[in-house]
Amino acid sequence: EPEVTQTPSHQVTQMGQEVILRCVPISNHLYFYWYRQILGQKVEFLVSFYNNEISEKSEIFDDQFSVERPDGSNFTLKIRSTKLEDSAMYFCASNPRDSYNEQFFGPGTRLTVL
Amino acid sequence: GQSLEQPSEVTAVEGAIVQINCTYQTSGFYGLSWYQQHDGGAPTFLSYNALDGLEETGRFSSFLSRSDSYGYLLLQELQMKDSASYFCAVRDQAGTALIFGKGTTLSVSS
Repeated sequence: EPEVTQTPSHQVTQMGQEVILRCVPISNHLYFYWYRQILGQKVEFLVSFYNNEISEKSEIFDDQFSVERPDGSNFTLKIRSTKLEDSAMYFCASNPRDSYNEQFFGPGTRLTVL
Repeated sequence: GQSLEQPSEVTAVEGAIVQINCTYQTSGFYGLSWYQQHDGGAPTFLSYNALDGLEETGRFSSFLSRSDSYGYLLLQELQMKDSASYFCAVRDQAGTALIFGKGTTLSVSS
């Protein structure tokens, strides 16, 4: 069964450094998302991406963040100048057309900012 | 904006039935979804209700009352492996993003 994959599974970085989190959504899906989950808290929406552009973003997704689909398979989240409060699990998700309520989540990348 | 309320914790024993409630406030409504998340794992889609009534999928059922802005997830014949967090979610009014509740941690004991 196709699945969303994410790399790395765990990333440790120093405050102020840039990180890039990578995702490979399911191949025939058209809508891509990044969510984050701070330990013990709810899943929070960051950004959605469709047709090679951002379709919506939350208040969390400020100028520190950017997303890119550099080729036909990868979907990346870049965090510039990381802060301690960026420490969280970051999930990538995708869905096919017209199936917005059933999103398929990847296993996540645990980001630890020291 | 959107807000969702659900209990923080529920405990039950194997074989029992448990109901996890969710009330929501939204500007526009595009259905209520339920996701399961095991410790350290990814959220996994369980069920979706767009219209009032009960949707059944094996041991799990989900109910929606749009007039009451209320839904619930019903888990029957509980098993130890059902111990997890359960999140209700609605779509963001503007598009396709999901807005999640804070989650209900279900603990199933033998």
